[in-house]
Amino acid sequence: AQSVTQPDIHITVSEGASLELRCNYSYGATPYLFWYVQSPGQGLQLLLKYFSGDTLVQGIKGFEAEFKRSQSSFNLRKPSVHWSDAAEYFCAVGTGGGFKTIFGAGTRLFVKA
Amino acid sequence: DSGVTQTPKHLITATGQRVTLRCSPRSGDLSVYWYQQSLDQGLQFLIQYYNGEERAKGNILERFSAQQFPDLHSELNLSSLELGDSALYFCASSVSGTNTDTQYFGPGTRLTVL
Repeated sequence: AQSVTQPDIHITVSEGASLELRCNYSYGATPYLFWYVQSPGQGLQLLLKYFSGDTLVQGIKGFEAEFKRSQSSFNLRKPSVHWSDAAEYFCAVGTGGGFKTIFGAGTRLFVKA
Repeated sequence: DSGVTQTPKHLITATGQRVTLRCSPRSGDLSVYWYQQSLDQGLQFLIQYYNGEERAKGNILERFSAQQFPDLHSELNLSSLELGDSALYFCASSVSGTNTDTQYFGPGTRLTVL
């Protein structure tokens, strides 16, 4: 069965420090992978997505993610975190046919001054 | 602002009641999705419509139903409500409803069942 695991429930980083949020997926075929961000009281916003091609994907707000098939991972990175990045981040996999998106449990990011 | 609107923002009701949540997709989007977000279950896909037709079904209970109207707005009907139905319900829309589409999420409707 398809699944998405985000091992870290929450992460705290200092402003200006680098960030990596982990995501592992389980899916038989080549997955469609997404990262979304949810700010408090808001809906989800797409940061980036991967379908094929270059395994390093650039997104909005300075985020990038790298698809590693051998590790079944799609980790999200940002070189320098800003206080406004504090939010909850969701990794998701889009399954084939009819688009059933499976979301991970989310990682809440705290940014300290 | 994603361009997806949801009404109402908040809804408080009692067990056993029925409610209707409404979603208007972004202009030009033909597909609508419904999601439930709760503390214990996380974010779960409920159902997807494309141009008025049901396209995909997820973990949607039989007490729940949805439809997409000719003007492309969608409604999610929740009946015989239980305490466990308390959650945030999100609607999202996309252009063509395919696996590669970007989904744009509305701000959600917070449902509280007392």
